[in-house]
Amino acid sequence: GAVVSQHPSRVICKSGTSVKIECRSLDFQATTMFWYRQFPKQSLMLMATSNEGSKATYEQGVEKDKFLINHASLTLSTLTVTSAHPEDSSFYICSARIRVQGAWGYTFGSGTRLTVV
Amino acid sequence: GENVEQHPSTLSVQEGDSAVIKCTYSDSASNYFPWYKQELGKRPQLIIDIRSNVGEKKDQRIAVTLNKTAKHFSLHITETQPEDSAVYFCAATYYNNNDMRFGAGTRLTVKP
Repeated sequence: GAVVSQHPSRVICKSGTSVKIECRSLDFQATTMFWYRQFPKQSLMLMATSNEGSKATYEQGVEKDKFLINHASLTLSTLTVTSAHPEDSSFYICSARIRVQGAWGYTFGSGTRLTVV
Repeated sequence: GENVEQHPSTLSVQEGDSAVIKCTYSDSASNYFPWYKQELGKRPQLIIDIRSNVGEKKDQRIAVTLNKTAKHFSLHITETQPEDSAVYFCAATYYNNNDMRFGAGTRLTVKP
């Protein structure tokens, strides 16, 4: 249980185009979704926190106009990388907080490898 | 906000030896400390976690210890096997804060 489905797993796009990444909670309602970015051989860095029905909260240094986050329902959060550039090439992964057997934890999507050419 | 530091960045051990990875955190309010194993290009996999109401937790070859006073926690892997080779991340968060901060990661290599 508590699965987050993330799509696409890999995407290659041309510089200047936009790419949308989706994360769906399959068997639970995710009121909050966390979006992370991971560059090669580096850690997961929190980009933003999306809350269903309200504006996302972005971490310092993350451009909200470039990384558009939408959390329109309790089961879907999307991250759109607008006007992508090669430096946006990275591994993007979402995470949701869950409750399992009375205790809370986190579950991750499978990640999206974005390559901007 | 929370700041998590993790050491060492790389660790190489012989098969059968033990491996220890250490993390410190800055926010005394943090009360949940998970450890994740990540293989290249894949999602982090939770291997063990500990909450602030306990000082130690063990699951077969893996154990985690927590010292809330010193604000540090450690991962211990005993009888290491080549398949334990991966990148390990520690993390810290607290309930009301929601988001989770990760350490920089440790690349563990277990030599057969």
